[in-house]
Amino acid sequence: SQTIHQWPATLVQPVGSPLSLECTVEGTSNPNLYWYRQAAGRGLQLLFYSVGIGQISSEVPQNLSASRPQDRQFILSSKKLLLSDSGFYLCAWSGGGPDTQYFGPGTRLTVL
Amino acid sequence: GEDVEQSLFLSVREGDSSVINCTYTDSSSTYLYWYKQEPGAGLQLLTYIFSNMDMKQDQRLTVLLNKKDKHLSLRIADTQTGDSAIYFCAGSSGNTPLVFGKGTRLSVIA
Repeated sequence: SQTIHQWPATLVQPVGSPLSLECTVEGTSNPNLYWYRQAAGRGLQLLFYSVGIGQISSEVPQNLSASRPQDRQFILSSKKLLLSDSGFYLCAWSGGGPDTQYFGPGTRLTVL
Repeated sequence: GEDVEQSLFLSVREGDSSVINCTYTDSSSTYLYWYKQEPGAGLQLLTYIFSNMDMKQDQRLTVLLNKKDKHLSLRIADTQTGDSAIYFCAGSSGNTPLVFGKGTRLSVIA
């Protein structure tokens, strides 16, 4: 069966520091991969999605970037964090058939 | 593109039925989804319905789809305190990623 992992689970970072969040999927190949941000009490904001290695679509211009160095690995990065980057970051995958997305457990990021 | 709207809050008493409503704009949506998010967790797929169906039932969950009005609902029978969560409606219209509503926070009062 397929599983999706995210780490770290929680992260506290100072403003201006770099960021790297990792997402990996097991049990499937060539998945579509997604990064979402959920601010406190709000809905999901799609940040990036990828349909293959090295293929990244950005939905919202900001100081974040995404990379897909391997088929089942999706990384969310920033060179300099802002206070407004605080939130709950969710990774998801989908593959074949309907566009059903399956979510990871999320990373809680607090920027101080 | 697709736009999905939901009411933000719903409060029900334990044992009653809950009905969470959602409207969408893209009539070409092929699949419509319901996800559940418990505090501090990711989203869990509850169920989905294909656009050529009117109803889908799965144990305590009933999904109703009115394509004419572009209205989707999720009914939870015999609501329990463990059903307290945020429920997201989402639509898919082909090659674009799912579009999610802002979520309905369900509070179950014991």
